[in-house]
Amino acid sequence: SQTIHQWPATLVQPVGSPLSLECTVEGTSNPNLYWYRQAAGRGLQLLFYSVGIGQISSEVPQNLSASRPQDRQFILSSKKLLLSDSGFYLCAWSRDRVDSPLHFGNGTRLTVT
Amino acid sequence: LAKTTQPISMDSYEGQEVNITCSHNNIATNDYITWYQQFPSQGPRFIIQGYKTKVTNEVASLFIPADRKSSTLSLPRVSLSDTAVYYCLVVNAGNMLTFGGGTRLMVKP
Repeated sequence: SQTIHQWPATLVQPVGSPLSLECTVEGTSNPNLYWYRQAAGRGLQLLFYSVGIGQISSEVPQNLSASRPQDRQFILSSKKLLLSDSGFYLCAWSRDRVDSPLHFGNGTRLTVT
Repeated sequence: LAKTTQPISMDSYEGQEVNITCSHNNIATNDYITWYQQFPSQGPRFIIQGYKTKVTNEVASLFIPADRKSSTLSLPRVSLSDTAVYYCLVVNAGNMLTFGGGTRLMVKP
């Protein structure tokens, strides 16, 4: 069976500090990978998606970046965090099929202070 | 991209059937309709997906009329643990799976 791992679960970082969130998927190959952000009480905002190694598409211009160094690894980064980067970050994967649903990780609660 | 519209919130009582309707007037021929459930501090969980008519699984039913411009998620005999946010998505091969605001369902004793 497929599993998705996302860490850390919670993170408190000062403004201006760097960020690295990691997501890995097991049990499948060549998945589509996604990073979403959810502000408190709000819906999910798609940040990045990837259909293959080194292929990253950005949906929202910001100070965040994503990388996919391996087939089942997706990393979300920032060089300098802003207060507005606080939120609930979710990684997800899907098969490369139109009818494949998204499978989410447990998320990372990021608080920028 | 097909935009979806669903009620912001709904209230129900334990044991009742809950129907949440989603409008997607500009749905395209190749689009699927997918519903997710999200509990606080968790990622959304896939509930059900359909293309037309009716789909049923162990959790819910999805009703899609012939024109496919709307869909209704039906939850039979809800319990307190069904309190969550429910999202309707219209997806196709080119859709980067954008979520709307969802419907916040509150089940009361």
